[in-house]
Amino acid sequence: GIQVEQSPPDLILQEGANSTLRCNFSDSVNNLQWFHQNPWGQLINLFYIPSGTKQNGRLSATTVATERYSLLYISSSQTTDSGVYFCAADSGYSTLTFGKGTMLLVSP
Amino acid sequence: EADIYQTPRYLVIGTGKKITLECSQTMGHDKMYWYQQDPGMELHLIHYSYGVNSTEKGDLSSESTVSRIRTEHFPLTLESARPSHTSQYLCASSGGTGGSGNTIYFGEGSWLTVV
Repeated sequence: GIQVEQSPPDLILQEGANSTLRCNFSDSVNNLQWFHQNPWGQLINLFYIPSGTKQNGRLSATTVATERYSLLYISSSQTTDSGVYFCAADSGYSTLTFGKGTMLLVSP
Repeated sequence: EADIYQTPRYLVIGTGKKITLECSQTMGHDKMYWYQQDPGMELHLIHYSYGVNSTEKGDLSSESTVSRIRTEHFPLTLESARPSHTSQYLCASSGGTGGSGNTIYFGEGSWLTVV
């Protein structure tokens, strides 16, 4: 099946800083999603983005399908952005495969 | 916002007990999923369903079973709980039309501790 790798595994930021999270995948995808898991375990879908660029407030995501990677940008980070960010992908032959996540800590 | 509900949210049970984790969604989604996640770790798919009377095992071997008798309901059952089953169980669903119909929505999770 498809392999999904995320980097960096951990990230510590000062409030107000910007960051970029990366997701590499091993096959062409017809489904790629980014999620945020808060400290209480709740998973929230951020973007459905198999290709192209989307923006939602301070967050934006870009997927370059031909080069098999996706980026999640967080601008002007806030403490509430802390948590784990997961990328998940599906090449169309199965269900979503999740990466191991990037743990983000934003300090005041 | 997603309308997908899990009960119980937290449960501590003894070894050997039978437990059913409930999951319901009000979005009319055809596809439903159960994931298992240990704290700080990645998600592993244990069961999924593409519609009523359809269930499949996921990537991670699990001693649990599921049923899909109604579109909105996808319960997960452990016949005999063991300490190794201690984990968070996340239910999810997806559906709708077009590419965005692949968007997955998660419930709040059920934290199970087997003592």
